Amino acid sequence: EPEVTQTPSHQVTQMGQEVILRCVPISNHLYFYWYRQILGQKVEFLVSFYNNEISEKSEIFDDQFSVERPDGSNFTLKIRSTKLEDSAMYFCASSRAGGVDTQYFGPGTRLTVL
Amino acid sequence: SQQGEEDPQALSIQEGENATMNCSYKTSINNLQWYRQNSGRGLVHLILIRSNEREKHSGRLRVTLDTSKKSSSLLITASRAADTASYFCATYSGGSNYKLTFGKGTLLTVNP
Repeated sequence: EPEVTQTPSHQVTQMGQEVILRCVPISNHLYFYWYRQILGQKVEFLVSFYNNEISEKSEIFDDQFSVERPDGSNFTLKIRSTKLEDSAMYFCASSRAGGVDTQYFGPGTRLTVL
Repeated sequence: SQQGEEDPQALSIQEGENATMNCSYKTSINNLQWYRQNSGRGLVHLILIRSNEREKHSGRLRVTLDTSKKSSSLLITASRAADTASYFCATYSGGSNYKLTFGKGTLLTVNP
């Protein structure tokens, strides 16, 4: 069964460094998402992406964040200058048909900012 | 409270018993999805129920939706130790943002 994959599974970085989190969505899906979950808290929406542009972004998704679909298979989240409070589990998700369809989540990347 | 609030926050039962978790939400929705998360792991999709549906089944899972009360329940029958996980409801309210709004989840512990 197709699944969303994410790399790396765990990323440790120093405050102020740039990180890129990578995702390979399910191949026939057209809608892509990033969510994050700070330890012990609820899953929070960051951004949705369709047709090579951002559909919606939350207030968390400030100028330090960017997303890109560099080719036909990868979907990336870049944090330009990490802060301590960016430490969280980051989940990529994809769906065939936007919000009316099931969103399938990847296993997550645990980001630790020191 | 916020969109997608589950109760109870924690539930501990014995293997073989049924587990019921509830979710309430504030705004109208297009659909509601239930997910499971094992400790520190990814989110596994369980069921999607649309606003015009009242009940859906999948194996040992039964989900109901009452849009008049803005609430949903997830019933797991004949629970197993492997069902131990956190369970989240997530709502999609419609529109072109496509985002899911998650609740805080119910931590279910099934004791062998």
